Amino acid sequence: NAGVTQTPKFQVLKTGQSMTLQCAQDMNHNSMYWYRQDPGMGLRLIYYSASEGTTDKGEVPNGYNVSRLNKREFSLRLESAAPSQTSVYFCASSAGQGSLRGYTFGSGTRLTVV
Amino acid sequence: GQQLNQSPQSMFIQEGEDVSMNCTSSSIFNTWLWYKQEPGEGPVLLIALYKAGELTSNGRLTAQFGITRKDSFLNISASIPSDVGIYFCAGQNYGGSQGNLIFGKGTKLSVKP
Repeated sequence: NAGVTQTPKFQVLKTGQSMTLQCAQDMNHNSMYWYRQDPGMGLRLIYYSASEGTTDKGEVPNGYNVSRLNKREFSLRLESAAPSQTSVYFCASSAGQGSLRGYTFGSGTRLTVV
Repeated sequence: GQQLNQSPQSMFIQEGEDVSMNCTSSSIFNTWLWYKQEPGEGPVLLIALYKAGELTSNGRLTAQFGITRKDSFLNISASIPSDVGIYFCAGQNYGGSQGNLIFGKGTKLSVKP
């Protein structure tokens, strides 16, 4: 089925370790997004890529980096994981910024930093 | 930046009851959307609203785009156990980063059979 695929689904890291969360979409969407979800905090935008070749900071970018590898793929990197980054991470895509069809979300990566 | 206030935060209801939740903003939006997130999954779009005053239904779900463009409402009639999840509202404007969705913090719905 068409959609947004995130890997891995679960991950446990030790403080200070690094890792990259992968995201790929097969809907030929131009824009991609990374969110984190914490209890009671809703969905907070970390970084987004309005189109291939561009990336911008969202609401909570500190401690993260992103790469828009090509039109399909948008990765999120934690260089030195901290317990505060324990969260569920969602990747999403849309036809473009301001697309009236909203976003399509992946099923999430559950990250625990110990 | 823009923020959305979504209420209630959580609801515990009996199967068959109707549910109402709403979202308000201090500034206007051109589009309102409602998403549902089931346990262990990502949010899925339920309803999109594009015009002030618009009332749109999707099965037992009905959503309205407030006349002031600063609020939106979602109603679920005759709830069933599979309605369980977190419901998010989202507002959107046009142009550049304004086109990014702004999400409410969600309403967690629990349905007792």
